[in-house]
Amino acid sequence: NAGVMQNPRHLVRRRGQEARLRCSPMKGHSHVYWYRQLPEEGLKFMVYLQKENIIDESGMPKERFSAEFPKEGPSILRIQQVVRGDSAAYFCASLQGFAETEAFFGQGTRLTVV
Amino acid sequence: KQEVTQIPAALSVPEGENLVLNCSFTDSAIYNLQWFRQDPGKGLTSLLLIQSSQREQTSGRLNASLDKSSGRSTLYIAASQPGDSATYLCAVTPYYDAGNMLTFGGGTRLMVKP
Repeated sequence: NAGVMQNPRHLVRRRGQEARLRCSPMKGHSHVYWYRQLPEEGLKFMVYLQKENIIDESGMPKERFSAEFPKEGPSILRIQQVVRGDSAAYFCASLQGFAETEAFFGQGTRLTVV
Repeated sequence: KQEVTQIPAALSVPEGENLVLNCSFTDSAIYNLQWFRQDPGKGLTSLLLIQSSQREQTSGRLNASLDKSSGRSTLYIAASQPGDSATYLCAVTPYYDAGNMLTFGGGTRLMVKP
């Protein structure tokens, strides 16, 4: 059972381009969370998804950011018209069920906006 | 709103010392508390998960305790080794908030000197 897979590991985008970050949860896990870690800062919650549903997106900026977790395939975090302030490490975590279970994190995608 | 604090922010010890990392949280209504390790430029590795009904968990040289009523957890590392050098993060899952799981502390950056 492979762990949580995130790709790409590193992504460089010019200002104004789009960034797509992918997260494949562990087998059997149907809950995915996305977090952002700015340089020298802690992990901040962005969005919580179950298959085909956004449960909580209260931590995600209202503009330019969107997330999905389709019935088939990985979860996608999409950032449109990237700006330098979007440069950060983006991590996803997957859980088998809600709350009581252990969260497993991927290796992250490090986005650099130039 | 749940807030998680970790003290100290940074710690440097000689190899072989036993050490304690502290984590405090403001609201005792939690499902669980989880300790993670993060190496520079890497993802998070889950170390220990303590359910709200438990008092402690052990894994090898690591022991984590939980005092929910006082809002505290400690991570004890016995006979520290240079390979233990990393940032240690604690995170709680708030009981009342169905979406925003795993609220993180700022971390303790540990350096174990040979």
